[in-house]
Amino acid sequence: DAGVIQSPRHEVTEMGQEVTLRCKPISGHNSLFWYRQTMMRGLELLIYFNNNVPIDDSGMPEDRFSAKMPNASFSTLKIQPSEPRDSAVYFCASSFEGSGELFFGEGSRLTVL
Amino acid sequence: AQRVTQPEKLLSVFKGAPVELKCNYSYSGSPELFWYVQYSRQRLQLLLRHISRESIKGFTADLNKGETSFHLKKPFAQEEDSAMYYCALGSGYSTLTFGKGTMLLVSP
Repeated sequence: DAGVIQSPRHEVTEMGQEVTLRCKPISGHNSLFWYRQTMMRGLELLIYFNNNVPIDDSGMPEDRFSAKMPNASFSTLKIQPSEPRDSAVYFCASSFEGSGELFFGEGSRLTVL
Repeated sequence: AQRVTQPEKLLSVFKGAPVELKCNYSYSGSPELFWYVQYSRQRLQLLLRHISRESIKGFTADLNKGETSFHLKKPFAQEEDSAMYYCALGSGYSTLTFGKGTMLLVSP
């Protein structure tokens, strides 16, 4: 297994543009997480899916952010419109529920100019 | 609310010196504590968890409920230990709350 796969690895965009980040979890895992990493705030949980259903989205900063998981092998995190303060590394992670061990992707580094 | 505090952003030691990365937590329930590590150009990965009570790469961590701490220790640091270390608190339905991380630099 190649592990959790995220794309794109790097994204540079201009303020106001739509950004879509993608994630393919490890096959068989039923929990998926989106985290955001910044120098100031560290790793913050944005949203958590279990069996493709959003369970906790309290970490999503505002309505500009949305996440979907249409099936067990794919999830997206969308920012529309993007702002410079959204610049961060966005990590996707998956796990088997209750295992306590999250498997992280390599992250998507977003820069909004 | 649950919270994880790692007071040091950077810890710099010489090879062979003891290392202690501090972690304190705040949680009203029964905590599950983890240490995750991110080596240069590698993914964030689990290092150890308090339930297993094992030593990984020479690192150990003991959960102290009285002091609400889960410090990570190694008696003799190696250069390959240089990495970013995150303490994490597990709750209810499998989500983890991470601390802000401590960068460990081990110099020769």
